[in-house]
Amino acid sequence: GQNIDQPTEMTATEGAIVQINCTYQTSGFNGLFWYQQHAGEAPTFLSYNVLDGLEEKGRFSSFLSRSKGYSYLLLKELQMKDSASYLCAVRDQEQGGKLIFGQGTELSVKP
Amino acid sequence: DAMVIQNPRYQVTQFGKPVTLSCSQTLNHNVMYWYQQKSSQAPKLLFHYYDKDFNNEADTPDNFQSRRPNTSFCFLDIRSPGLGDAAMYLCATSGRTGGVDTQYFGPGTRLTVL
Repeated sequence: GQNIDQPTEMTATEGAIVQINCTYQTSGFNGLFWYQQHAGEAPTFLSYNVLDGLEEKGRFSSFLSRSKGYSYLLLKELQMKDSASYLCAVRDQEQGGKLIFGQGTELSVKP
Repeated sequence: DAMVIQNPRYQVTQFGKPVTLSCSQTLNHNVMYWYQQKSSQAPKLLFHYYDKDFNNEADTPDNFQSRRPNTSFCFLDIRSPGLGDAAMYLCATSGRTGGVDTQYFGPGTRLTVL
């Protein structure tokens, strides 16, 4: 079966660092995506990993270990506007592959 | 520069009254998707097109239909909306942009069923 797990909610302090974990078990794998979604808005693409290792993009970094079926999204220097839901999604095949989404992690950033 | 455009942004319909949601894209991506997202839930894939090839998810109700007349446009038709169909409907495209295979979402259409 297809399964994506991530924590339901997390709380962090402005200026701090937070790591959101995602584990997956899927029949196929061709990349893992992280999206940010503010309430009532569409998901916004943050990062994409298809090879093992760390991808850094400004304050956001994403890590992938394919052998462990594990990824994390690291957010540094947290800002209040980072309060949102963070969705982990796995693409299951190379072309036209659909994304299998996790339930999302609701991150609350407090002053 | 909007890349995936959805119209309308908000749609109100009556129970049982057919409704059509539209999506257009300027990315020239060959894959387009329709997702349904209810409050505090992950997006749920309804169907997708790879070029003109239609792929329906096994658990998508027959009440939901889709059309893709050309590369740029895709429509979601809900033939007889029920109260349980009230949700955000997200259109997305998939293709290689800037050397990376990514999926881009439109702003969504929030559907209310009265």
